[in-house]
Amino acid sequence: DTEVTQTPKHLVMGMTNKKSLKCEQHMGHRAMYWYKQKAKKPPELMFVYSYEKLSINESVPSRFSPECPNSSLLNLHLHALQPEDSALYLCASSQDGTQETQYFGPGTRLLVL
Amino acid sequence: GESVGLHLPTLSVQEGDNSIINCAYSNSASDYFIWYKQESGKGPQFIIDIRSNMDKRQGQRVTVLLNKTVKHLSLQIAATQPGDSAVYFCAEKQPGGGNKLTFGTGTQLKVEL
Repeated sequence: DTEVTQTPKHLVMGMTNKKSLKCEQHMGHRAMYWYKQKAKKPPELMFVYSYEKLSINESVPSRFSPECPNSSLLNLHLHALQPEDSALYLCASSQDGTQETQYFGPGTRLLVL
Repeated sequence: GESVGLHLPTLSVQEGDNSIINCAYSNSASDYFIWYKQESGKGPQFIIDIRSNMDKRQGQRVTVLLNKTVKHLSLQIAATQPGDSAVYFCAEKQPGGGNKLTFGTGTQLKVEL
């Protein structure tokens, strides 16, 4: 089973709202990732967690705040977003931080008004 | 900077024909490559991978070829089916620490009946 689940599937929020995206995997993977994907563009890495510790932050604005409560869960907290943050947010996981094959979830389609 | 790119943004093929999707990379130190398929409204789906110590790897109806001399990667799909219609991304693992993937710009494959 190579399933990564993400909730919600769609999210509409105002620029003053606070919301969270959730990601879950039960493959025993110890590395999890957040990507942002704009329409007709490739995914862009945002954050990497390895063994529940943040290992990579690709200079993402502080209005995006990741959290890894345990090895199966990954959250992305959103606050004071801008319309240009509207995108598909993808979560992925891999066996650990050195195993390259990443398995992606279906994504959360975010619209910021 | 170094990047991974694709020669053709859109590829149209007849059902039953073979498809070839190309990818150029510029980082000679990259040692691992992945092909992903992304259907509309879904997350990227792992297709096949290859390490730099190999020239060819075959899966079910798919073959990946790696030419390190010219830094070229290709994905061959045999007997293309309508369900193969999607955007295909190559991804390159950046050398050094951390499991960072850099994605190519993507190729839209359209299968005509």
